[in-house]
Amino acid sequence: DGGITQSPKYLFRKEGQNVTLSCEQNLNHDAMYWYRQDPGQGLRLIYYSQIVNDFQKGDIAEGYSVSREKKESFPLTVTSAQKNPTAFYLCAASAGEVWEQFFGPGTRLTVL
Amino acid sequence: GQNIDQPTEMTATEGAIVQINCTYQTSGFNGLFWYQQHAGEAPTFLSYNVLDGLEEKGRFSSFLSRSKGYSYLLLKELQMKDSASYLCAVIDSNYQLIWGAGTKLIIKP
Repeated sequence: DGGITQSPKYLFRKEGQNVTLSCEQNLNHDAMYWYRQDPGQGLRLIYYSQIVNDFQKGDIAEGYSVSREKKESFPLTVTSAQKNPTAFYLCAASAGEVWEQFFGPGTRLTVL
Repeated sequence: GQNIDQPTEMTATEGAIVQINCTYQTSGFNGLFWYQQHAGEAPTFLSYNVLDGLEEKGRFSSFLSRSKGYSYLLLKELQMKDSASYLCAVIDSNYQLIWGAGTKLIIKP
């Protein structure tokens, strides 16, 4: 089945540790996105990538980093510089800017 | 600034019809999406409107008026499984997707 996988579904980390969230897609889509969602709020864009080896900051990129070395993979690192990292993180992919985005199941990160 | 407004929460009865409104002020317009998101899960695509008018898809319909900066999602024959948040998102002139905060729909028996 074509889709997007994110792992793990739940992740716990101590404050001050970096953590990397994985996102893999087999949809053969060029564009990939990382969003953060806090309780009762909409999606906020962290980073996006339209093509391999290229990515742009979204609205809330501070404290996060990404890489796009392969079309299928777009990992997100939450660094210790992110002041409030506990949130639900969603990865998405689309065929292009005016196409629907397909979402992975999400990773719920809790920093203790 | 860019802004998308949706009601925070709505309540409806099983079997009834509900209309969820979305108004937007964005720098340009290249289309509008509606997504459904169940609690703790990922959003799933419902509809896409780029031209004025009504798009019908089964029990769900979506309407767009570009001149008014307005869209609505109409859900008919409500079922308990329709309890979810409904997210409106607009593609602006830079092809950036601007998301609303979502409307939590509560269905009562």
